[in-house]
Amino acid sequence: ETGVTQSPTHLIKTRGQQVTLRCSSQSGHNTVSWYQQALGQGPQFIFQYYREEENGRGNFPPRFSGLQFPNYSSELNVNALELDDSALYLCASSLQGVDTEAFFGQGTRLTVV
Amino acid sequence: GNSVTQMEGPVTLSEEAFLTINCTYTATGYPSLFWYVQYPGEGLQLLLKATKADDKGSNKGFEATYRKETTSFHLEKGSVQVSDSAVYFCALTPRDDKIIFGKGTRLHILP
Repeated sequence: ETGVTQSPTHLIKTRGQQVTLRCSSQSGHNTVSWYQQALGQGPQFIFQYYREEENGRGNFPPRFSGLQFPNYSSELNVNALELDDSALYLCASSLQGVDTEAFFGQGTRLTVV
Repeated sequence: GNSVTQMEGPVTLSEEAFLTINCTYTATGYPSLFWYVQYPGEGLQLLLKATKADDKGSNKGFEATYRKETTSFHLEKGSVQVSDSAVYFCALTPRDDKIIFGKGTRLHILP
């Protein structure tokens, strides 16, 4: 059983650029959620994908978008990067249903300069 | 709306001390409650959970009881170790798989 893996682990981008973060979900899981964790804060829900469709979204602007692929892996795309987008981005995979455990990857540390 | 409030840190204790980290929540319906732990340089790990009122979650010596009457889920451990040093997050899911986290409490255990 493989865990949740995210790539890259660290990334530095310039304000205004675009970035794509990747997540491979745990074997057998069909749902991927993305979270943004600013320094010293708790993770904030960005959105969730289930069977390749967006299944809920938090309070993030449309320049945050995502994809889920047939193998349930996922991408998070952020356009027009702003300095405040600097954060740890966490991916969590789970099996859709009540009270199922979400497993988190180690995250991608994005720095916008 | 749904939210989680936990005690601010950092919390510094000596090894073998008793630990309490307070957590209260606001939620509609009957959420599941969680404690997650984040060790330095690592991702989030589920520490324990409780899915209904009066349930007690426990793991690695940590315990928390789902108290609906006080909307609380305080984390306790009777004797902490240096290896427990980490950031602890209280969280809830309002039955739709989206997790709402508190701001986290950093715990330092001194040898």
